Amino acid sequence: SQTIHQWPATLVQPVGSPLSLECTVEGTSNPNLYWYRQAAGRGLQLLFYSVGIGQISSEVPQNLSASRPQDRQFILSSKKLLLSDSGFYLCAWRGGSNSNQPQHFGDGTRLSIL
Amino acid sequence: GDSVTQMEGPVTLSEEAFLTINCTYTATGYPSLFWYVQYPGEGLQLLLKATKADDKGSNKGFEATYRKETTSFHLEKGSVQVSDSAVYFCALSDEWNYGQNFVFGPGTRLSVLP
Repeated sequence: SQTIHQWPATLVQPVGSPLSLECTVEGTSNPNLYWYRQAAGRGLQLLFYSVGIGQISSEVPQNLSASRPQDRQFILSSKKLLLSDSGFYLCAWRGGSNSNQPQHFGDGTRLSIL
Repeated sequence: GDSVTQMEGPVTLSEEAFLTINCTYTATGYPSLFWYVQYPGEGLQLLLKATKADDKGSNKGFEATYRKETTSFHLEKGSVQVSDSAVYFCALSDEWNYGQNFVFGPGTRLSVLP
């Protein structure tokens, strides 16, 4: 069966520090991969998605970036964090080739910026 | 563009009460529809889905019927439990933009009191 792993689960970082969040998927190949951010008590904001290795689409201009160095690995990065980067970050994957396939989410990373 | 609208929360019910969370959508193509549930501090879990008109998705006592004529996908449960307290997201996936387009509603917070 397929599984998705995100780490770390919780992270506290000072303003201006770098960031690297990692997401890996097991049990499937060539998944679509997604990074979302969820502010406290709010809905989901799609940040990046990827349909293949090295292919990244950005939905929101900001100081975050994403990379997909391997088929089942998706990394969210920042060179200098802002206070507004605080939130709950969710990685998701999706398989198949048609619109009836759901997205499957990891457990999330709670990021607090001090 | 595609969009999903959900009833405003929070919704507060007593245990064993009947639940309805309204969801309506607009879509360019013929979408698949989904309900997700998010428990506190966790990622989203797929609750149920429907891929064509008049389909009924069901899981854990929850049901939703794909109504194309009213562009709706309302979530119902006959008797809620305290453990159903969570945030519920309605979502659609449109056939014309598979890689990117998974549109989520803003979420509805449900609190069930004993």
